[in-house]
Amino acid sequence: AIRMTQSPSSFSASTGDRVTITCRASQGISSYLAWYQQKPGKAPNLLIYAASTLQSGVPSRFSGSASGTDFTLTISYLQSEDFATYYCQQYYIYPLTFGGGTKVEIK
Amino acid sequence: EVQLLESGGGLVQPGGSLRLSCAASGFTFSNYAMSWVRLAPGKGLEWVSAISGTGGSTYYADSVKGRFTISRDNSRNTLYLQMNSLRAEDTALYYCAKGGADHTPFDYWGQGTLVSVSS
Repeated sequence: AIRMTQSPSSFSASTGDRVTITCRASQGISSYLAWYQQKPGKAPNLLIYAASTLQSGVPSRFSGSASGTDFTLTISYLQSEDFATYYCQQYYIYPLTFGGGTKVEIK
Repeated sequence: EVQLLESGGGLVQPGGSLRLSCAASGFTFSNYAMSWVRLAPGKGLEWVSAISGTGGSTYYADSVKGRFTISRDNSRNTLYLQMNSLRAEDTALYYCAKGGADHTPFDYWGQGTLVSVSS
């Protein structure tokens, strides 16, 4: 199975900060990489797919990029509603796998 | 508006069975693959199973293979997950999600149904 390694697992930030979350795939997955946001008690929400394509309705402060097997989610200007847990996921091959998650907390 | 509504969760003893359902609306159900994804207490998201739009292809995580069966009834716009030989480690919130086959992400999710396996 492809292992998705996310980092960091958690961190604290302030509103207005620029934040970056990284996800590394254990083997090539082309651009079949998605990012999800999950808030407590809520279902996950698709933010980015195909590594860098913004899902409809998602604010433009979210962006994704890729370099080989390394993928990055960037939030350019952190808002209060962005404090949540973020997951990467590869949908290149079965079994589909998620990263371990990154919890973004208020500093 | 796409809606996914799960049901069927509950408390079950180890070794027991449950069948989860997911009623879909707001899109042409038979045109899309569907999946189950779970969130165990204190853990991250784990993909469980996926099924193609026709139901002809099914896929499973190793952790549930041989114990869980995914199926769908396109005439009822409903997805199912039959869970047998349940274990404590199957305790989780189970989400129904649209997508998961043919290189598609999960673009819509239900609110989840809770499965607790305990004696």
